[in-house]
This record gives sequence, C-alpha cells and structure tokens, in this order.
Amino acid sequence: DGGITQSPKYLFRKEGQNVTLSCEQNLNHDAMYWYRQDPGQGLRLIYYSQIVNDFQKGDIAEGYSVSREKKESFPLTVTSAQKNPTAFYLCASSLAMAGGYEQYFGPGTRLTVT
Amino acid sequence: GENVEQHPSTLSVQEGDSAVIKCTYSDSASNYFPWYKQELGKRPQLIIDIRSNVGEKKDQRIAVTLNKTAKHFSLHITETQPEDSAVYFCAASISGADYKLSFGAGTTVTVRA
Repeated sequence: DGGITQSPKYLFRKEGQNVTLSCEQNLNHDAMYWYRQDPGQGLRLIYYSQIVNDFQKGDIAEGYSVSREKKESFPLTVTSAQKNPTAFYLCASSLAMAGGYEQYFGPGTRLTVT
Repeated sequence: GENVEQHPSTLSVQEGDSAVIKCTYSDSASNYFPWYKQELGKRPQLIIDIRSNVGEKKDQRIAVTLNKTAKHFSLHITETQPEDSAVYFCAASISGADYKLSFGAGTTVTVRA
C-alpha cells in the first residue's frame, strides 16, 4: 500500500473556505490524477497531470484547482466555488498516461464542508 | 466522451458460487478495460485488465471477457470467497495521448457464508 500518500484522512471545513488536499508519491510516476468518489457514482476525474508543470481538466473540474510543481506532488484545492464539495477524494498515479498503465491509488481524504 | 454503464449495482452470492458483473461502453475507439476492487475502507486496486486485441483473460479465479462488437465486457469471479466482498469498478479508456479512464458506477458484491 505504500508509495502514494494523501493527507489528511479526514478534513472538516466551513462553507466559503478554500481547502487544499495533499497527494505525494515516491513511485517516480509521471502521471497523477485526482478523482472524486460519491456513493453510486463511481470515480469521476477532476484533474490530471502527465508531466511536471502541466495539467488538464477532467470531467468535473469546476470549483477545483491543482498545481504540479514537483514530480512527486499534486495538491488539489477545493475552492468556495465548488457547489457540493463534501465527498471522498482519491489521488492516483501511474508510470505514464499513454499506454494504459495501472493507476495506483492513495488512501483518500474524506472532506466534509458544513 | 466515453460513457460506461455497470450492472448490477449490488450483487449477493453464496460462498462458492460465481459472480458476474457486466459493463457497456459507448465509444468504439476504447481499447483498454481495467477492473478495480475496493474493499471497505481501502483504496481501489487493479485486479485484472484487458486490451481490445484479446477476447478473454484469466487470472486464477477471476476472468474478464470482451465483446467489441457489442461494446461490453464482463468480470467473472468463480468459487467466491468472503474476501471477494468489495466494490468492483469497471473502466474504459481510449488509446492515444492521455488514456483517461472513465469508470462505471460500481458493483457492491457481498459473499454470504
């Protein structure tokens, strides 16, 4: 289970506040991803990055922002513009994006916004 | 974009019986189909995958079949055991520059002792 970590495990915020979720990997993977998991909806892609200093919007990017300044790190900021931020957030990484390499997931962060 | 539908949403089987989960995809250009297993409170993990150049792949008690014409693929678990209880997700991606995965909604499998 090692190799990709997320912190914290649980996060509580008040409405209107931005919050940043951490994701770090030591697998030397080029590609990193952020997914949102809601009951009955599977995993939905928020943002992904194929290489340092480059990232693209996924299917539900509105209200989120990311950065990729280091290969090992891909933090996700949930902004106050995200209408329904309470969810389970999963970070993943893979050796590369092209070619269908296995994605390795972190343990997740459960965000609750009240 | 790709749309993946997964059925059933829940599945209860007697220990030792088989379990089958089916997924359909919309984009005929999709050519990579992984299956992930997520045990309660744990992270998703890849259990098997298949590419469009083969019709079936097996790994011990699990197998995946692919029908490109009908655009559907299935996960088969034989001789189910309690540790097979989990949520299973299928996914599909289109080869090319990014291989973004589109996931199904998941199937909660419960193996009854």
